[in-house]
Amino acid sequence: DIQMTQSPSSLSASVGDRVTISCRASQSVGMFLNWYQQEPGKAPKLLIYAASSLHSGVPSRFSGSGSGTDFALTISSLEPEDFATYFCQQSFSGPYTFGRGTKLDIK
Amino acid sequence: QVQLVQSGAEVKQPGSSVKVSCQATGGSFNSHALTWVRQAPGQGPEWVGGIIPVFGTANYAQKFQGRVLITANQPTNTVYMELRGLTFEDTAVYYCARQGTLPVAGISFSWFDPWGQGTLVTVSS
Repeated sequence: DIQMTQSPSSLSASVGDRVTISCRASQSVGMFLNWYQQEPGKAPKLLIYAASSLHSGVPSRFSGSGSGTDFALTISSLEPEDFATYFCQQSFSGPYTFGRGTKLDIK
Repeated sequence: QVQLVQSGAEVKQPGSSVKVSCQATGGSFNSHALTWVRQAPGQGPEWVGGIIPVFGTANYAQKFQGRVLITANQPTNTVYMELRGLTFEDTAVYYCARQGTLPVAGISFSWFDPWGQGTLVTVSS
């Protein structure tokens, strides 16, 4: 199975900050990498697919980059509703695997 | 716009089985795959398996092979996941999600969206 490692596991930031979350795959997944946001008690929501494509309705302050084994999710200027947990997920090969998540909270 | 509505929370004893349903409202699955993902408390999501309802073919993560059965009822736009031989480690929220795809130059990117609201399965003696 492809292992997905996210860093950091938690991150404190303030409204207006620029933050970057990293995700590393244990082998190349090309651009088959998705990002999700999850609020407490709710289902994950798709943010980014194919490494850098913004899902419909997602604010443009979210962006994804990378290919191969190293990826990043960047939020250019944090809004209050962005404080949540973020997961990466590879769709290169089954079983589709997720990272353990990065919890973003208010400093 | 398709929404996925799941059945309610379950409490099960070790060794028993649970069957969770996921119904598409506001549309159908069409040719999309429908996948099941679970999330144990404080953990990342874990893919369980999926099915393409129009074909009825399912595939499963090896970890769950022989213990999980995913089926579909097309007329009711409902997909089911049955997990047998429950242990305490199966306590989790189980989500269904539609697998979206984008073919580009002969390859197909995929992702999970939308998701159901989740079904908490608690295994307790």
